[in-house]
Amino acid sequence: VQLVQSGAEVRKPGESLKISCKAVGNIFTDFWIGWVRQMPGKGLEWMGIIRLINSDTKYSTSFQGQVTVSDDKSINTAFLQWSSLKASDTATYYCALAVDGNFYFDYLGQGTLVTVSS
Amino acid sequence: QSALTQPASVSGSPGQSITISCTGTSSDVGDYNFVSWYQQHPGKAPKFMIYDVSKRPSGVSNRFSGSKSGNTASLTISGLQAEDEADYFCSSYTRITRSYVFGTGTTVTVL
Repeated sequence: VQLVQSGAEVRKPGESLKISCKAVGNIFTDFWIGWVRQMPGKGLEWMGIIRLINSDTKYSTSFQGQVTVSDDKSINTAFLQWSSLKASDTATYYCALAVDGNFYFDYLGQGTLVTVSS
Repeated sequence: QSALTQPASVSGSPGQSITISCTGTSSDVGDYNFVSWYQQHPGKAPKFMIYDVSKRPSGVSNRFSGSKSGNTASLTISGLQAEDEADYFCSSYTRITRSYVFGTGTTVTVL
């Protein structure tokens, strides 16, 4: 299994953005894809997670209302979306896969660098 | 939910053993065996190293081991090697909130 993320993005404050994470390879029947933020020089922060089989979604309280996690199970892809970016959203975003019933991320994407600057 | 607490840095000489602690609460680390560990080299994506407190996925060296006591989990690296120099993050799932939390991260330096 491999998680393939969309490429680096540069946006201005106030703009919207949607990045993607596609699971390829020997895909499990029932799995979750989570999103993790890493600001420059900082640690990992769990943002939210979606179960692709039924789109059940859970957010960290820190990110609830700030981002939207969605999916398209027909193409085994999860998305992370912002409606109005801020400079403080500048970070690398990783997606991570957890098989349902497991509570760890055994596959991680390569990361998507999002730069928000005027 | 607050990040799990890890020491900012740990160092050791080649061949030595080091231990990284990860302290949470009775709602996360102390609740069940949902602790995992990730290694991250500079500029790279995190790599999955330990799950369910002490289990190693295939391909991970048996020099890495995990344990837990109460609300504190630990990652031990034995026979320290230069390639172990990286950042390490613990993570825990919290059943009551159905959410995850990461640790603050520890930089391991091989002297």
